[in-house]
Amino acid sequence: EAGVAQSPRYKIIEKRQSVAFWCNPISGHATLYWYQQILGQGPKLLIQFQNNGVVDDSQLPKDRFSAERLKGVDSTLKIQPAKLEDSAVYLCASSLGGRNTEAFFGQGTRLTVV
Amino acid sequence: KQEVTQIPAALSVPEGENLVLNCSFTDSAIYNLQWFRQDPGKGLTSLLLIQSSQREQTSGRLNASLDKSSGRSTLYIAASQPGDSATYLCAVRGAYSGAGSYQLTFGKGTKLSVIP
Repeated sequence: EAGVAQSPRYKIIEKRQSVAFWCNPISGHATLYWYQQILGQGPKLLIQFQNNGVVDDSQLPKDRFSAERLKGVDSTLKIQPAKLEDSAVYLCASSLGGRNTEAFFGQGTRLTVV
Repeated sequence: KQEVTQIPAALSVPEGENLVLNCSFTDSAIYNLQWFRQDPGKGLTSLLLIQSSQREQTSGRLNASLDKSSGRSTLYIAASQPGDSATYLCAVRGAYSGAGSYQLTFGKGTKLSVIP
């Protein structure tokens, strides 16, 4: 079974530039999450989708971050403009849906803002 | 607001030892708890999922327990091997932002080093 796919694996940009990350969840998984993991910290939820609708984006900095899930499958997360403090690993996860299901994570995208 | 704490932050043991990693959480209204492993520069690999109605789960040399009422979970690793060296993360799932928001709240992890 193919896992959660993310690209790119690494990205270096200058502050004030924009960047986009892509995620392809496990086939059939209705729920998709984006997490931000700053070095030395646990992952923090940015946004949760159920199919192509947003369930929770309460911790998403909406002035610079945006996300969409196309046709309830792939998702993109965008940062515009980037700040130094956005340097982190961005993790995508998916699950079948519902409160009892297991979450599976991708390899992540490491973003460095200089 | 749910908070998850993992102790210790780092642990170094000789190969072959049995060890226990601890996780505590402040809000006992959880649906389940998941233990993950994270290798340097990699994503998270799910190790064990314990539903709120369960007391423990086992997979190979790993055994995870859950005491929901006291807000605690432990991950027991038997006969540790150098390949077990990684960061282990505990996460609890609850509906903290309304119905359908089954988000995972993570601890900061325990960095395990198994010395050959």
